[in-house]
Amino acid sequence: EAGVVQSPRYKIIEKKQPVAFWCNPISGHNTLYWYLQNLGQGPELLIRYENEEAVDDSQLPKDRFSAERLKGVDSTLKIQPAELGDSAVYLCASSLGIGSYNEQFFGPGTRLTVL
Amino acid sequence: GQQLNQSPQSMFIQEGEDVSMNCTSSSIFNTWLWYKQDPGEGPVLLIALYKAGELTSNGRLTAQFGITRKDSFLNISASIPSDVGIYFCAGPSTTSGTYKYIFGTGTRLKVLA
Repeated sequence: EAGVVQSPRYKIIEKKQPVAFWCNPISGHNTLYWYLQNLGQGPELLIRYENEEAVDDSQLPKDRFSAERLKGVDSTLKIQPAELGDSAVYLCASSLGIGSYNEQFFGPGTRLTVL
Repeated sequence: GQQLNQSPQSMFIQEGEDVSMNCTSSSIFNTWLWYKQDPGEGPVLLIALYKAGELTSNGRLTAQFGITRKDSFLNISASIPSDVGIYFCAGPSTTSGTYKYIFGTGTRLKVLA
C-alpha cells in the first residue's frame, strides 16, 4: 500500500514569490494534516481536515497561507507571498480518523528554501 | 501553552550501547507517542502509550508512560547504526479546545560504529 505522497520534495524560490505543495494521503484516510517543521524542531500543526472540511486551522497564518482539500482526498497548501522565515519542511500526514488510536502516517515532506 | 521538553538534545553513542532519553511536560498527557525521523523523511510512529505506568516494547525499543503522566521514557537496547535519527515524543493537546498533537524538540541520536 502506498504511503502519503508529497510533491515537490524540494523547492527553492525567491521571497515574495508564490509556492504550492501537494499531498495525496493514504487511500481511505479521512483526516489530513499539514505540519510545519523548522530546523531542529518538532512538527507543528498548521491545519487539519476531516474529509473536505478544515476543522482546525487556528495555527495557519491566514494572511499568506491557504489550503484546500476539494474532494476530500488530495490537498494543496499555498503560500503567497513567501517570506524568508517560511523556509522549513512542510509535512503532510493522514489518518483514518482523529484520536490517539488512529495513527498518523507522515509523508516525506517538502523542503522549502526562500532566498 | 503545553510544551514537551526532551533530553538529551543530542547524543553520540557506540554501537552496542544502550540509549535512554526522556520527555517531560508541565501538564498532564493522557497519551504518549514516540516517533523516529530519518533524514529527508517524515516521522514514523515507534510506540504508543495510553495508560500511566504502562511499559511497552517494540523490538529493541522500550517506552514507559510516567506515573505522574507528565513524563515518558524511551530506551533503545544494543544500538545499531540504523538507529541514527531524531526521536520525538508527542502527545495530544487538550488546551486549545481542538484535538492536535504537540511534538517535543527531539533527541538526535548518532551511533558510532
